[in-house]
Amino acid sequence: DAKTTQPPSMDCAEGRAANLPCNHSTISGNEYVYWYRQIHSQGPQYIIHGLKNNETNEMASLIITEDRKSSTLILPHATLRDTAVYYCIASRGGYNKLIFGAGTRLAVHP
Amino acid sequence: DVKVTQSSRYLVKRTGEKVFLECVQDMDHENMFWYRQDPGLGLRLIYFSYDVKMKEKGDIPEGYSVSREKKERFSLILESASTNQTSMYLCASRPGAVGNTEAFFGQGTRLTVV
Repeated sequence: DAKTTQPPSMDCAEGRAANLPCNHSTISGNEYVYWYRQIHSQGPQYIIHGLKNNETNEMASLIITEDRKSSTLILPHATLRDTAVYYCIASRGGYNKLIFGAGTRLAVHP
Repeated sequence: DVKVTQSSRYLVKRTGEKVFLECVQDMDHENMFWYRQDPGLGLRLIYFSYDVKMKEKGDIPEGYSVSREKKERFSLILESASTNQTSMYLCASRPGAVGNTEAFFGQGTRLTVV
């Protein structure tokens, strides 16, 4: 699975959009981009994934660049409960390992 | 409701003890994973299993072994616990289908070795 790079920390004001970047310049054509988040003392939780197209669900939007070398997770209206560590992963799925990096610690403040 | 259950939330063991951390999933997933998490280091993969009795080393397998005798159960074994194995341990499972498969995590076991 391709290595991903994320900023170690970010801040966001409550009610504003949080845009979390991820670089995956060595991603291969059959690798999906997954996002998970981990709220303190809990196991990571799946947020969203995508292959080529932009994706949206009830939690977030995922924007993947045309060359697939980077992506952005968007939380459209961040709340205090979105304070967490966010992980971006490139993975083929199947019978393969799932490798996490250090993630981005997002702090949402009033 | 899908579930990954880890046998203990908190565990305290003595140096040199043999420690078993158990994980059970009820989703018939092929893949199961053990991670440890330390402050500032994210989740690091210890071992991975893609089928019964099949396993692969992750990034930090030293000092650990695993057992998967049944599809739903994946055990992490610390043969001789040491203080540097004090950590949060997380188990996860994921289907074997290619592509859009999400992983489900247990709530974690916080192990303290004294």
